[in-house]
Formats: sequence, structure tokens, C-alpha cells
Amino acid sequence: SQTIHQWPATLVQPVGSPLSLECTVEGTSNPNLYWYRQAAGRGLQLLFYSVGIGQISSEVPQNLSASRPQDRQFILSSKKLLLSDSGFYLCAWRAGTGVDTQYFGPGTRLTVL
Amino acid sequence: DAKTTQPNSMESNEEEPVHLPCNHSTISGTDYIHWYRQLPSQGPEYVIHGLTSNVNNRMASLAIAEDRKSSTLILHRATLRDAAVYYCILRGGDGGSQGNLIFGKGTKLSVKP
Repeated sequence: SQTIHQWPATLVQPVGSPLSLECTVEGTSNPNLYWYRQAAGRGLQLLFYSVGIGQISSEVPQNLSASRPQDRQFILSSKKLLLSDSGFYLCAWRAGTGVDTQYFGPGTRLTVL
Repeated sequence: DAKTTQPNSMESNEEEPVHLPCNHSTISGTDYIHWYRQLPSQGPEYVIHGLTSNVNNRMASLAIAEDRKSSTLILHRATLRDAAVYYCILRGGDGGSQGNLIFGKGTKLSVKP
């Protein structure tokens, strides 16, 4: 069966520090991968998606970036965090074709102080 | 993507059925109706989806109006663990290359013991 992992589960970082969040998927190949952010009390916002290794599409311009170095690995990064980057970051995957059932990871709660 | 409209919140008593409505008057002929839910401090999870016919699975039932302009997610016996935000989302059948899900504000379901 397929599983999706995210780490760390929680993170507290000072403003201006770098960020690296990792997401890995097991049990499937060539998935579509997604990064979402949910600010406190808000809905989910799609940040990036990837249909293959090295292929990244950005939905919202900001100081975050994403990379997909391997088929089942998706990384969210920032060189310098802002206060507004605080939130709940969720990774999701979907089979490459067919109806769009997405499966979400457990999330990373990031607090920028 | 067509827009959906849901009530902001609903309350239910434990072990009673719950009917969560969703209006999607601009739905296109190829849009699938998806429902996800998000428990507190967790990532969203898939609940059910359908196109035209009513659908049942172990979690819930989906009743789709004949004109497809509205649908209702039915939880047959609400439990305290069903307290969550429920999202109704429309997506095209093949999802395109992104397969993105656009989350609205959803309906926050509270379940009273």
C-alpha cells in the first residue's frame, strides 16, 4: 500500500533562517506531488506541484521554492523565512492519471518567530 | 474550476445521521464531485467522489441531484471522530496535468455527545 511521509512534524524557526521540509512517498511510482500551506484559520493554498523529476510548477509567487530530486521525493525550501511563512504545510500525492484522489501527508507545523 | 458553496458550520448529535449540502450550479458535464475532510491538526483525507449516480462507501454516501447542481454528503451515524471540516470540490474527470484540488472554506461539523 502507498504511504506518504513528512518531516519534521513541527518546526520553530527564527525570521531570516533557511527552511527545508521533506516529503517522500512509498508504494507508487511517478506520482504527481503537491505542496499546500494552510495558515491559521484559513483554507488550503496550493504552493507547488510536480508531474515528474525536476518538473516544478509554482502556483503562488513567494520566497519559497520546491525541488523534486527523485521520483518520490519532494522538498520545500526557503533561503530566508518570513513571519508570514508560518503555517501548516501539507504534502500530497496523486496517481499520474485518472480521477483526482489526492492523498495527504501528516503535515509540518511551522512557526516563524 | 466551477465553484462550490457550503454552509460555514453545522452541528449534529452523536449517532444521528448528518446531511452536509453543497451547491455547484456551474458544474460542467465532466466535473466529478469530490469530498474531503480535515480532522483537527491533520491533513485532509479523501471521503468519496461521484459523477452522476449516488455513491456509497464505508465512510459515507454521496447523493447527487438529478441536474447535478447540488450534492449531499451523508454520514449515516455521526461519531465524535467525524468532527472535522468537510470540503466539497469539483474536478474534471482526467484532472489535467496538475490534478490540483481547489479547497474552499468547507463546512465545520461539530458532533455533540
